[in-house]
Amino acid sequence: ILNVEQSPQSLHVQEGDSTNFTCSFPSSNFYALHWYRWETAKSPEALFVMTLNGDEKKKGRISATLNTKEGYSYLYIKGSQPEDSATYLCAALEDTGNQFYFGTGTSLTVIP
Amino acid sequence: DAMVIQNPRYQVTQFGKPVTLSCSQTLNHNVMYWYQQKSSQAPKLLFHYYDKDFNNEADTPDNFQSRRPNTSFCFLDIRSPGLGDAAMYLCATRRDSYNEQFFGPGTRLTVL
Repeated sequence: ILNVEQSPQSLHVQEGDSTNFTCSFPSSNFYALHWYRWETAKSPEALFVMTLNGDEKKKGRISATLNTKEGYSYLYIKGSQPEDSATYLCAALEDTGNQFYFGTGTSLTVIP
Repeated sequence: DAMVIQNPRYQVTQFGKPVTLSCSQTLNHNVMYWYQQKSSQAPKLLFHYYDKDFNNEADTPDNFQSRRPNTSFCFLDIRSPGLGDAAMYLCATRRDSYNEQFFGPGTRLTVL
């Protein structure tokens, strides 16, 4: 079992601000780290899948980095927009199989 | 569009009355997952299938059962729901070990 933690629990930012959140996980038994965005009343949607130490991925204004040696990942949003308001979940995958362990998520509200 | 469908979106049952939640997918993915998410908590893996191979998490209560009659469908049976089983139940699929999960919109279960 992997204990995955996310911080902060919630965040309110003004439109146009840049922001970032953290996901931490045990570095032993680690295989991959996933980020998902979950908007209210919709299905969680995958943002990034990362496996290698030093991985950096980008999708539009959103990017993520991965440090497997120290066990953390950062998600960055540049120039936040109201449509970025959602809960951002990270999930760590063990190297032994198909089991994912999720954090509690960071709830982001972007104020117009 | 290919997708993961969960029915119903909202389910109300009575204490002790068996209930079945369903999930179907048109993605032809090998892996299917059931998660339970209680308010402000991380989604918790209940079980997963890799094809027909069933994997039960060690701490999933016996009250929860699952069936996967074919690739497309997966069911979650709660034999005697208690008040503590009220939660959002998420179904997800995954093609193989290297890809992201695709989620359904979830079923919110209320136990009266």
